[in-house]
Amino acid sequence: DAGVIQSPRHEVTEMGQEVTLRCKPISGHNSLFWYRQTMMRGLELLIYFNNNVPIDDSGMPEDRFSAKMPNASFSTLKIQPSEPRDSAVYFCASSSSGRETQYFGPGTRLLVL
Amino acid sequence: GEDVEQSLFLSVREGDSSVINCTYTDSSSTYLYWYKQEPGAGLQLLTYIFSNMDMKQDQRLTVLLNKKDKHLSLRIADTQTGDSAIYFCAESSGTYKYIFGTGTRLKVLA
Repeated sequence: DAGVIQSPRHEVTEMGQEVTLRCKPISGHNSLFWYRQTMMRGLELLIYFNNNVPIDDSGMPEDRFSAKMPNASFSTLKIQPSEPRDSAVYFCASSSSGRETQYFGPGTRLLVL
Repeated sequence: GEDVEQSLFLSVREGDSSVINCTYTDSSSTYLYWYKQEPGAGLQLLTYIFSNMDMKQDQRLTVLLNKKDKHLSLRIADTQTGDSAIYFCAESSGTYKYIFGTGTRLKVLA
């Protein structure tokens, strides 16, 4: 079992640039989550997909953030334009259903200069 | 809103037992989880307990749940330097929403 795969693992970009984070959930899992981790706010749920459909995007900070899940094995989180306050670790997690245990990927460490 | 609280730091000597505590406010919590995060890594699920259980043991890990006091603890027996990490408590009322604590940084002294 490869676990949840995220890329890139590290991203450094300049303010105003577009950033795309990628996630491959565990095969067979139909629920996918994007989280953001910061020292100030801890772990925050950004968006939850079930069967590739966004169910809850109430945690997405603002219109600069968007997420897609075109198929069961791939999701993206895009920030456009990026700002320094977006610097954080972004985690993707998946579960076999929305109510089951969530398994986390290694995270993408984003630094916006 | 619902909240999960943990102490920020814990320091123990190698070979001793560690006890990491967590309190939560949601009386409808169904599942309670412990995750471990090593430096630069993601959250690794350690164990979880259903709210109708008082205790769960898994090798060196013992989880105790006091539902009346809404208190959860994780005991690590024979703590090793490899156990140094941040430990997160999380609760769920059986939906997709997890409420995470702030994490407890465990430092194991050799």
